[in-house]
Amino acid sequence: EPEVTQTPSHQVTQMGQEVILRCVPISNHLYFYWYRQILGQKVEFLVSFYNNEISEKSEIFDDQFSVERPDGSNFTLKIRSTKLEDSAMYFCASSELVRSDEAFFGQGTRLTVV
Amino acid sequence: AQSVAQPEDQVNVAEGNPLTVKCTYSVSGNPYLFWYVQYPNRGLQFLLKYITGDNLVKGSYGFEAEFNKSQTSFHLKKPSALVSDSALYFCAVRDRPGRRALTFGSGTRLQVQP
Repeated sequence: EPEVTQTPSHQVTQMGQEVILRCVPISNHLYFYWYRQILGQKVEFLVSFYNNEISEKSEIFDDQFSVERPDGSNFTLKIRSTKLEDSAMYFCASSELVRSDEAFFGQGTRLTVV
Repeated sequence: AQSVAQPEDQVNVAEGNPLTVKCTYSVSGNPYLFWYVQYPNRGLQFLLKYITGDNLVKGSYGFEAEFNKSQTSFHLKKPSALVSDSALYFCAVRDRPGRRALTFGSGTRLQVQP
């Protein structure tokens, strides 16, 4: 069964450093997403990406964040100058064009900012 | 703003008994409702969705959900629980077509006892 894969599974970084979270969406999917879940809180939408551009973003997704699809397979989330409150589980997801409502999520990257 | 409430942090049920995981929603327009499941160390998996049509929606693994507009609810049900159904269940809503962001509930942990 095809799945979304995320690397690394756990990333520890110092406050102020830049991190890049990586995702490989399912190969025939065209919509890509990032969500995050702060420990003990709800899963929150960050951004959606389609046709090489951001299609939707939340208030959380400020100038500190950026996304990129650098090649035909990877989808990345960059966080510049990380803050303690960026510590969370970050989920990547993708969906196909026809059944775009049905998103497939990766297992997540746990980001710890110290 | 749209929101989702899952009033139970945990639901315990004996194997073979029917199960219900509750979800209520609040949206300004017509709701697009989803259930996702998360097994340990895995990403969220799509279970089922309600967009329009029959109020009873059938999904994966024998799960179904009933849309009740008057009660603004979308409870997840299964006639006979399995131990393997033990997982974290998330209800989610989207308030209009073309919008990609899902708003998730806080999740309900289902524990099925043998």
